[in-house]
Amino acid sequence: DARVTQTPRDKVTEMGQEVTMRCQPILGHNTVFWYRQTMMQGLELLAYFRNRAPLDDSGMPKDRFSAEMPDATLATLKIQPSEPRDSAVYFCASGLARGLAGRPDTQYFGPGTRLTVL
Amino acid sequence: DAKTTQPNSMESNEEEPVHLPCNHSTISGTDYIHWYRQLPSQGPEYVIHGLTSNVNNRMASLAIAEDRKSSTLILHRATLRDAAVYYCILRGNSGNTPLVFGKGTRLSVIA
Repeated sequence: DARVTQTPRDKVTEMGQEVTMRCQPILGHNTVFWYRQTMMQGLELLAYFRNRAPLDDSGMPKDRFSAEMPDATLATLKIQPSEPRDSAVYFCASGLARGLAGRPDTQYFGPGTRLTVL
Repeated sequence: DAKTTQPNSMESNEEEPVHLPCNHSTISGTDYIHWYRQLPSQGPEYVIHGLTSNVNNRMASLAIAEDRKSSTLILHRATLRDAAVYYCILRGNSGNTPLVFGKGTRLSVIA
């Protein structure tokens, strides 16, 4: 049963520290998404990649957040320095895109990383 | 992306059918109607999608109005495990683009 995995599941850190979250997409999926969920804002897109190339990162605070895909099996989201307002659950999702057009395919979500910045 | 409107919350008795409505009056001809749900402390999961015709799968049914300005997700027999937030999302035919989540409908199931 293929699934998206995320590590760590929980992270508590202090303001100013660097945080790195990792995601392993489902093997064969070529599109990876990072979403963030807070009580106030709900679920919102931070960034997404297709074939490891970033397509949209307009949802991320550029000065402190960075997202990368070092290879097809790993996506990372880094926050440096972290702030209390970054406290949220961060979800990674993966899916298959067969092209720039066509029926939108399903996205498969990981269990999330719950980040608490003190 | 065209917007959707859903009730904030709904309640159902266990073993009863549940009809979750979604209005999308500004839907375009190429928009697909997708439903995802988020169980407590989990990531969202796909439920069902459709374009024009009604759809059935093992999880639910999707009834789409003839003018496509609204749709209804139908759970035929609600169980306690169906308690979740249900999101109705419109998606264009531009491949696998990001999901735009609204507030969804929080479904409570009473034993």
